[in-house]
Amino acid sequence: DTGVSQNPRHKITKRGQNVTFRCDPISEHNRLYWYRQTLGQGPEFLTYFQNEAQLEKSRLLSDRFSAERPKGSFSTLEIQRTEQGDSAMYLCASSPLEGSGYTFGSGTRLTVV
Amino acid sequence: DAKTTQPTSMDCAEGRAANLPCNHSTISGNEYVYWYRQIHSQGPQYIIHGLKNNETNEMASLIITEDRKSSTLILPHATLRDTAVYYCIAFKKSSGDKLTFGTGTRLAVRP
Repeated sequence: DTGVSQNPRHKITKRGQNVTFRCDPISEHNRLYWYRQTLGQGPEFLTYFQNEAQLEKSRLLSDRFSAERPKGSFSTLEIQRTEQGDSAMYLCASSPLEGSGYTFGSGTRLTVV
Repeated sequence: DAKTTQPTSMDCAEGRAANLPCNHSTISGNEYVYWYRQIHSQGPQYIIHGLKNNETNEMASLIITEDRKSSTLILPHATLRDTAVYYCIAFKKSSGDKLTFGTGTRLAVRP
C-alpha cells in the first residue's frame, strides 16, 4: 500500500471550466476527507465520507462543488464553473473508523486562469 | 474543537533539539492534542498525539502540561529535512471528527 494517492498533481484550467479530482485512499480506511488549502493558510475542511455515505459538508462547499465516493472506495471532487477563487491545493485524507490520525495525500494544486 | 495558539515562526540549528510550543487553554477533557507537519508542496504528515500523558515515538516527543492548557513538541535532533510548518490541533475523537488546522509554526532548521 503506497498511501493516499491523488490525481492529477497539478491542474490548470480556464475560468468557467469544470474540473474533477480523484483520491484513492488507503484500502482498509473507512473514512475519507477532502480539505482545501490556500497559500499561507492551514488546510480547511470541505467534506467527509464514511464508506460511501457523505456525512458532513462544510459551508465552504458551495453548490458548484460536489463529491462522491461510489462503493466506498475512491472519491472524486468536482468543481463546476471554476472561478479564480477556487485556485488552491485540494487535499484528500483517509483514516480507519477508530483511527488515531489521518493519512494525507500529496494534494492536487488547481490554478484557475 | 478548542482553539490553539502557536508562534508564527521559529528556527533552530541542525542537530539541536527543536521545541515547538502550543497553547490550548480552552481544551476540553476529551480532546486530544495532535501534531502534524507539512513540508513544502506535500500533504500534512501525522507526527504524534496525546491526551494527558507525555508521548514519544520515532519522530518526536510530546510533553503536555498537567493542566493540559499547553504542550510542547520536541524534535530531539533536528535535521534540515525537518524544515516545515508544524500544526498543533485539539481534536475530539467522535463520529463527526475532523481536524481543524490553524496557521501553524514555520520551523526553519539552519545548517
